[in-house]
Parts: sequence; C-alpha cells; structure tokens
Amino acid sequence: AQKVTQAQTEISVVEKEDVTLDCVYETRDTTYYLFWYKQPPSGELVFLIRRNSFDEQNEISGRYSWNFQKSTSSFNFTITASQVVDSAVYFCALEGFHTGGFKTIFGAGTRLFVKA
Amino acid sequence: DTEVTQTPKHLVMGMTNKKSLKCEQHMGHRAMYWYKQKAKKPPELMFVYSYEKLSINESVPSRFSPECPNSSLLNLHLHALQPEDSALYLCASSHRDSGNTEAFFGQGTRLTVV
Repeated sequence: AQKVTQAQTEISVVEKEDVTLDCVYETRDTTYYLFWYKQPPSGELVFLIRRNSFDEQNEISGRYSWNFQKSTSSFNFTITASQVVDSAVYFCALEGFHTGGFKTIFGAGTRLFVKA
Repeated sequence: DTEVTQTPKHLVMGMTNKKSLKCEQHMGHRAMYWYKQKAKKPPELMFVYSYEKLSINESVPSRFSPECPNSSLLNLHLHALQPEDSALYLCASSHRDSGNTEAFFGQGTRLTVV
C-alpha cells in the first residue's frame, strides 16, 4: 500500500524565519513520483515541484528547496526567509501506478502560518 | 492559457435536486480528474479520464456520475446527494495520466447539500 505522512499539522513562524515541512512516504514501487502542492485560501492547488524516484538530486528554486532521500523515504520542503504570502496548506503527494492508471495520494497537509 | 476553470464556484442543492459541476481546460491536456476535499482534509481522488475515457473510478457512489464530452471538458453530474457529500470538488488536468507530470487544479466548487 502507498502512504504519505505529514506529521506536522500546523506550523507557525514569524516572517523571515526558515521553516521545513516534513514528508515521509511508503511505497513498494520502484518507479514513483513525489510532489509538493500549495493550497492557498482560494482553494486551488498550486504545483511546486515534482521528483521521480530515480532522481535524488536536491533542488532549489528561489526561497524554496527540497531534500529527497530515498534511504529514509523522505521528501522534505524548506522555505527560506518565509513571507506572509507563504501562509497556506502544503501537501506532499505520491504518484504510482495502479490498476487502470496512475493515481496520486496526498498527505494530510501541513498548515503554515507566517506572521508579520 | 494555464487555467482550469470550474463552474459554479459555489452550489447549494437539496437532496432531491439534480445539478452538474463543470470543468474546462484549453492546455491540450489529455488526462482530467475529479477530487473531493472535505474541510481540513487532503484531496481524495474520485475519477480519472484519460483520452476522454474513464480509466479510474475510486468506488464512488453512483449518485456521482462523471462525463467527458470532449478533451477540454469534464462534468460531474450530481443526483440524490447526501449532506455528507458537502465538500470542495476540485477538477484537475495533466498532459497525460502516465505519471511524471504535474496536475493543474481549478479553484473548485464548494458544494453544500441541504
């Protein structure tokens, strides 16, 4: 079975602090894909990053960085110098092949509050 | 155009009503999805359409009936819903359903069943 665990339900930081959102996944597949999405109060999910299971390179995009470690089945997300606009719910997701096609399952989400 | 447009944004319906949710994208994506999201919960996959054919149905009750009239449109027909079906219904699309491709989401329809 596939599973995504985001143990942090809510995190509150003050603007300009760095914050790391944790994601641990379980899968028996050798080929799978990991994602992070942001969900602001408006409701739509905004894609942030995709990683396939064969690419463990860490990635940095502006203030965002991701640390993928297969050895610990983790795909953590760090926001550097957080801003109020970063306040949202962040979902880690795992995509793998199931009968009929690829399916994405989401972690429970981490609600991030960034205070001015 | 990188948008997925969902209408209506809000819907209140009685348990005996029939209504439809609509989703449209013009990005040339060939996979489209319906998700259901309850308050403070993650999205849960309901249906996947690949090249206008239903490829995944996550054992969704028959009171939810999806339809994909063409590659740009996805509908979700609702009939005899229950109050527990109240949720945010999200539509998404991606280039294909073969993995390794991000999904673009609409803003959702907030459905209330009374």
